[in-house]
Amino acid sequence: DAGVIQSPRHEVTEMGQEVTLRCKPISGHNSLFWYRQTMMRGLELLIYFNNNVPIDDSGMPEDRFSAKMPNASFSTLKIQPSEPRDSAVYFCASSFYPGDEQFFGPGTRLTVL
Amino acid sequence: DQQVKQNSPSLSVQEGRISILNCDYTNSMFDYFLWYKKYPAEGPTFLISISSIKDKNEDGRFTVFLNKSAKHLSLHIVPSQPGDSAVYFCAASDASGTYKYIFGTGTRLKVLA
Repeated sequence: DAGVIQSPRHEVTEMGQEVTLRCKPISGHNSLFWYRQTMMRGLELLIYFNNNVPIDDSGMPEDRFSAKMPNASFSTLKIQPSEPRDSAVYFCASSFYPGDEQFFGPGTRLTVL
Repeated sequence: DQQVKQNSPSLSVQEGRISILNCDYTNSMFDYFLWYKKYPAEGPTFLISISSIKDKNEDGRFTVFLNKSAKHLSLHIVPSQPGDSAVYFCAASDASGTYKYIFGTGTRLKVLA
């Protein structure tokens, strides 16, 4: 069991550039979550999908952030344009269904210079 | 507006002693609570949970207590071991709503050998 896979593990980019984070959930899981971890706010839920459909995107900070889940085995979180305040660790998690135990990936550490 | 608060950013405990991590919440609709543990460079992993119909749940060295009237929960680790050194996140969800988890900012536990 490979667990939740995220790529890249580290991303350093310059302000204004587009950033795309990728996630492969655990096979058979129907719910997928994107979180952002910062010192000030801890783990914040950005968006979650159920059966590939976005259910709650109220945590997406701005229009610069967008997320897609084109199929059950892949999701992307895109930031365009990126800003230094977007620097954080971004986690993807999946579960069998909403409310079930969530399994987290290792995270992507994003640094925007 | 933090609905789930962990007011102690860090805690140091001697090996063999009890570690007590605290968490407060403000939303009375929350009915399911969890603790996740996070090691550096890894994603959070599920540790223990409790439903609002209970006031205590125990799993080995880990016990979670829930005080609904005070909107407070705590995680007890007895005895503490150096391998318990990690960041602990408290989370809450509303099973009758969107099922999403609301996480606290985390408490960094250091168990001293």
